[in-house]
Amino acid sequence: EAGVVQSPRYKIIEKKQPVAFWCNPISGHNTLYWYRQNLGQGPELLIRYENEEAVDDSQLPKDRFSAERLKGVDSTLKIQPAELGDSAVYLCASSPPGGLAGFEQFFGPGTRLTVL
Amino acid sequence: AQSVTQPDIHITVSEGASLELRCNYSYGATPYLFWYVQSPGQGLQLLLKYFSGDTLVQGIKGFEAEFKRSQSSFNLRKPSVHWSDAAEYFCAVGGRNTDKLIFGTGTRLQVFP
Repeated sequence: EAGVVQSPRYKIIEKKQPVAFWCNPISGHNTLYWYRQNLGQGPELLIRYENEEAVDDSQLPKDRFSAERLKGVDSTLKIQPAELGDSAVYLCASSPPGGLAGFEQFFGPGTRLTVL
Repeated sequence: AQSVTQPDIHITVSEGASLELRCNYSYGATPYLFWYVQSPGQGLQLLLKYFSGDTLVQGIKGFEAEFKRSQSSFNLRKPSVHWSDAAEYFCAVGGRNTDKLIFGTGTRLQVFP
């Protein structure tokens, strides 16, 4: 079974430029998460999708961050414009439907963003 | 508020030695508890999880963890560490009060031959 796929793995941009990250979850997983992991910290949730619906985006900085999950499968996270403080690893995770299994999240390898 | 504390930022052990990584949580209801491992440049891999029942849970790679409600702890253990266990370890808490996981800040494990 293929795992969570993310691209690109690394991205270097200058501040004020836009950037986008892509995630393909595990087949059959209806819940998708985007996390930001700052250096030396644990992941922090940015947004959670149940199928196409964003059910928790309370931690997403909506002035510059946006996300979409068309057709309830792949997802894209965008930052426009990027700031120096956005340098971090952006992790995508997915979980299967139903009960306790829904609490078990499977993570992708992440995208390491460097903003210069 | 829900939170997770991992008091040890960095631990160094010799290969073959035993290991215990500490995790304390704050959660207003019955917690669901997890340990994840992250190797350099990789995503997080689930080692083990606790939902209910037996408070000693077994995971992959020879790891185990014990849930102690009275101490609000979920410490991770391994009787004999291998060099390949060097990585960052994260404890996380979730539950029916929240649909998301709260992660600790991690413990970096270094293993000397």
